This record gives sequence, structure tokens and C-alpha cells, in this order.
Amino acid sequence: GQNIDQPTEMTATEGAIVQINCTYQTSGFNGLFWYQQHAGEAPTFLSYNVLDGLEEKGRFSSFLSRSKGYSYLLLKELQMKDSASYLCAVRDSNYQLIWGAGTKLIIKP
Amino acid sequence: IAGITQAPTSQILAAGRRMTLRCTQDMRHNAMYWYRQDLGLGLRLIHYSNTAGTTGKGEVPDGYSVSRANTDDFPLTLASAVPSQTSVYFCASSDSGGGGQDTQYFGPGTRLTVL
Repeated sequence: GQNIDQPTEMTATEGAIVQINCTYQTSGFNGLFWYQQHAGEAPTFLSYNVLDGLEEKGRFSSFLSRSKGYSYLLLKELQMKDSASYLCAVRDSNYQLIWGAGTKLIIKP
Repeated sequence: IAGITQAPTSQILAAGRRMTLRCTQDMRHNAMYWYRQDLGLGLRLIHYSNTAGTTGKGEVPDGYSVSRANTDDFPLTLASAVPSQTSVYFCASSDSGGGGQDTQYFGPGTRLTVL
């Protein structure tokens, strides 16, 4: 079966750095996405990785290792508005997205 | 530019009733999707359409039907609602439904409660 694993919840302090991990086992791989979802709102796109390595976009970076079936999302200089759920999704061999359950990130002052 | 709109925002429905959730996009995207999101689970694909006139089944299609008469609209119908269909429903769209990055963009969601 296909599986995406993420921690259920993480807590971090305002101004700090946090790393959210995602491991996956899917039938094929055609890219990995990270989305942000604030409570009661729609998921919004953050990043996309298809090749191994780090993609940096402002305070957010995403890393991919295809051989290990592993990705992480790194958030720097945390702000209170970063309190949200972060969803990892992998596009499989049928070009469908398989979604993790999401990691709820709580930011404390 | 509105992006993707969904209606209604929320609905309480009696079991056995028929319900259509509406989704409209103005980005001229070829592909559209319907997901449900339940607590503790990832988004699960119900149905999708890679282009107007075609539809396909996702991971959890039973009890749902869709149509894609034109590029902009992708309604989801529950023929006879059951309590297990209580969920938040998201419509999404992407440019091609195929290769490349093809990022999916989401509507605001419909919160459906079936009693």
C-alpha cells in the first residue's frame, strides 16, 4: 500500500527553527509537495521537490532524498502566523497526489 | 480573480437526501479534483477530471458522482447521503493533470454534516 508518515503535532518557539519530517512509500514517484493549512481554511502551496536536494524559498526550505523516501520542511525565524498544519503529498505513478495526515505546528511566544 | 469557489460553505443534511456541492474555477485549468478531509486522515481523492468531458475515480468514490460538462465547473453529487459522508470537502484544480509540477490549487471547502 501507499503511505505518507508525518508527526502529528510539533511545538516550537517564536523566532526559532523547526524541521518537519515526511517519509513516504508510494507506487512510483513524480514529485513531492508541501502545503500549509490554517485551521478552517484551504491548503495553500508551499514547495515542490522532484530532484534530490534543498529548495529554498524565503524563510521556508524543503529537502528531498528519493533514495531514502524522505523529505523535510524547514521553517526559520518562526512567526506566530506560522501556526498551522503542514501537509506532505507525493505524486505517484498514476500522477495522483497521496497525502499525509499533516503535522500541526504550534508556535509559542 | 476569484480562483476557485465552492458552494455552499456549510450544510447540514438529513440522511437519505440528495446533495450537490458546487465548484467553479476561473483559471482555465484543465484538471479538477474533489477531496474529502477527515480528522486524523490525509486528504483523500474522491473523483477527478483531467479535462472537460472526462472523469475518473479516486481512492474513495463510492456514494459520490461527478460531471464535467465544461472547463469551469465540477459538481459533486451525493445521491443518498449517509452519516459517514460527514466531512470537509475540497475542490482543487491544476493546469494539466499530468506531468511537470502541475500544482493543485484549492477552493475554500464545504463543511457537510449528515445526520
